[in-house]
Amino acid sequence: QKEVEQNSGPLSVPEGAIASLNCTYSDRGSQSFFWYRQYSGKSPELIMSIYSNGDKEDGRFTAQLNKASQYVSLLIRDSQPSDSATYLCAVNKGKSNYQLIWGAGTKLIIKP
Amino acid sequence: DADVTQTPRNRITKTGKRIMLECSQTKGHDRMYWYRQDPGLGLQLIYYSFDVKDINKGEISDGYSVSRQAQAKFSLSLESAIPNQTALYFCATSDGTARPDTQYFGPGTRLTVL
Repeated sequence: QKEVEQNSGPLSVPEGAIASLNCTYSDRGSQSFFWYRQYSGKSPELIMSIYSNGDKEDGRFTAQLNKASQYVSLLIRDSQPSDSATYLCAVNKGKSNYQLIWGAGTKLIIKP
Repeated sequence: DADVTQTPRNRITKTGKRIMLECSQTKGHDRMYWYRQDPGLGLQLIYYSFDVKDINKGEISDGYSVSRQAQAKFSLSLESAIPNQTALYFCATSDGTARPDTQYFGPGTRLTVL
């Protein structure tokens, strides 16, 4: 089992719909969770981080964390073509607050 | 100006050559990281540094070395490049005091080893 797993996609979503991206992790000691967006050939850029169980909203983005089930998800409301990218999930390793374990990413395509 | 810069942005080299990738940051962060990214794989940590005198190996340090010349500069060297080191390389920085400690990435260097 990979330490951080994501469906590679591509996930195709109509413009204006909600895109739902999921990530599962294996280390029960992980405490910090991150979603990064990466356009092709570009560097990852932070979308959201979440630390506590529950939902965290920022504009059109909502991160959801469930530590008991060991998953974190990202919802994108009112999806736009500019949201088309690969979304990377990263989880801190154990109690470390610097070492991240990365998923391979989910490719999201928003269709106009 | 970008907070985290990397040079060169693209590099093609031959097997056996020594090359250096450079990273500079103006964010004032103490922590710096080098990652590589291969298609279909997650980012893999090569080396990380908490300050000029604190350098640590990551998951895949074999074949690589680093130098932290100053708080703002962290260089990655491939002593004798081999084709399977062809990848996208990213430098990242973090503050180290925030919780969670968020990492910010440079634009990347695309390295091709022939």
